[in-house]
Amino acid sequence: GAVVSQHPSWVICKSGTSVKIECRSLDFQATTMFWYRQFPKQSLMLMATSNEGSKATYEQGVEKDKFLINHASLTLSTLTVTSAHPEDSSFYICSALENKGSTEAFFGQGTRLTVV
Amino acid sequence: QKEVEQDPGPLSVPEGAIVSLNCTYSNSAFQYFMWYRQYSRKGPELLMYTYSSGNKEDGRFTAQVDKSSKYISLFIRDSQPSDSATYLCAMRRGSTLGRLYFGRGTQLTVWP
Repeated sequence: GAVVSQHPSWVICKSGTSVKIECRSLDFQATTMFWYRQFPKQSLMLMATSNEGSKATYEQGVEKDKFLINHASLTLSTLTVTSAHPEDSSFYICSALENKGSTEAFFGQGTRLTVV
Repeated sequence: QKEVEQDPGPLSVPEGAIVSLNCTYSNSAFQYFMWYRQYSRKGPELLMYTYSSGNKEDGRFTAQVDKSSKYISLFIRDSQPSDSATYLCAMRRGSTLGRLYFGRGTQLTVWP
């Protein structure tokens, strides 16, 4: 299957700082990428959908000014958690679609964010 | 009511057992059904994908979809300790490109 690489795998940051998470499709072009958040023993909650070259579409309840998403190329999307707080600590996972209409979403390995 | 319901377990079985994992859903518009396996602190890995009702088999894994009952299942035969993981069901409507709706995941432990 296609490979999606997410970096970093884990990060610890201080409250009030910003953290950037990268999601790269290594061997295919991803028209669409998704960002999820997962709390312990909970399901994946979709945060936003990003399409290359356009603004991300955020799910209801997700603060777009806090979770900045950029999808500047067909192989890279970034999620920036701005002014992080301890309640932002979570597991963030991206996924990518190889082409429009593809039913297979390939996931990155996730990023464990801890805000202290 | 959540759109996708899945018993979180945990489920613990001996090696060699047949494992049955299930999800129910409420939205009759779902047409594509998937099972993902997620190891601790890792991203989900696609195991099985099924379109509409029916069965699909891949090695030790069999996925079943019953749209009339809004019920999907994943069976694991001859379970192995390496199958120990969290299994997430996911589904999507045909009209929404890639937008997946996930169950909570069932935590499975296969002990030797």
